[in-house]
Amino acid sequence: DIQMAQSPSSLSASVGDRVTITCRASQSIDRNLNWYQQKPGRAPQVLIYDASSLQTGVPSRFRGSGSGTDFALTITSLQPEDFATYFCQQSYITPRTFGGGTKVEIK
Amino acid sequence: QVQLQESGPGLVKPSETLSLTCTVSGGSINSHYWSWVRQSPGKGLEWIGYISYSGTTMYNPSLQSRVTISVDTSKSQFSLSLSSVTAADTAVYYCARGLRSRLGNWFDPWGQGTLVTVSS
Repeated sequence: DIQMAQSPSSLSASVGDRVTITCRASQSIDRNLNWYQQKPGRAPQVLIYDASSLQTGVPSRFRGSGSGTDFALTITSLQPEDFATYFCQQSYITPRTFGGGTKVEIK
Repeated sequence: QVQLQESGPGLVKPSETLSLTCTVSGGSINSHYWSWVRQSPGKGLEWIGYISYSGTTMYNPSLQSRVTISVDTSKSQFSLSLSSVTAADTAVYYCARGLRSRLGNWFDPWGQGTLVTVSS
């Protein structure tokens, strides 16, 4: 299985901050990397697919980058509704695997 | 807009079979791939497997010996069966649609999730 390592596991930030979350795959996955946001008691929702493509309806402050083994999700200006947990997921091969998550909390 | 809704028992006894159904509304089940994903505090998000509208399946090897996913296109439903459950199978179970691009695929949308507890 491809292991997905996310960092940090949690972070505290203020509204307006620029936030970057990283995800590292245990082997090259080309650009087959997706990012999801999950709020408490809710299902995950896709933000970014294919490493850098913004899902329809997702604000442009969310940006994805990377290829191969190293990827990043950047929130350019953190908004109150962005406090949530973020997961990466590889779709290069089965079984599909997820990162352990990054919880973004209010400072 | 496509919506998914899980249904099934919230409590299953150890060694028995967990059975869940996902109903698809607002769109056709006769395209895309349809997946089950579970989430537990101990193991995070875990992909269980998928089925295509035509019945092609793919399972996570870690669960393959215990998992069956089936589809009933006439009812716009797909189902999960997980046998010989233990406490380690306690989790929130989600169904999700698989979308594809030229490059890859992702899950969207997801159902709201249903908590299944394995306990006697």
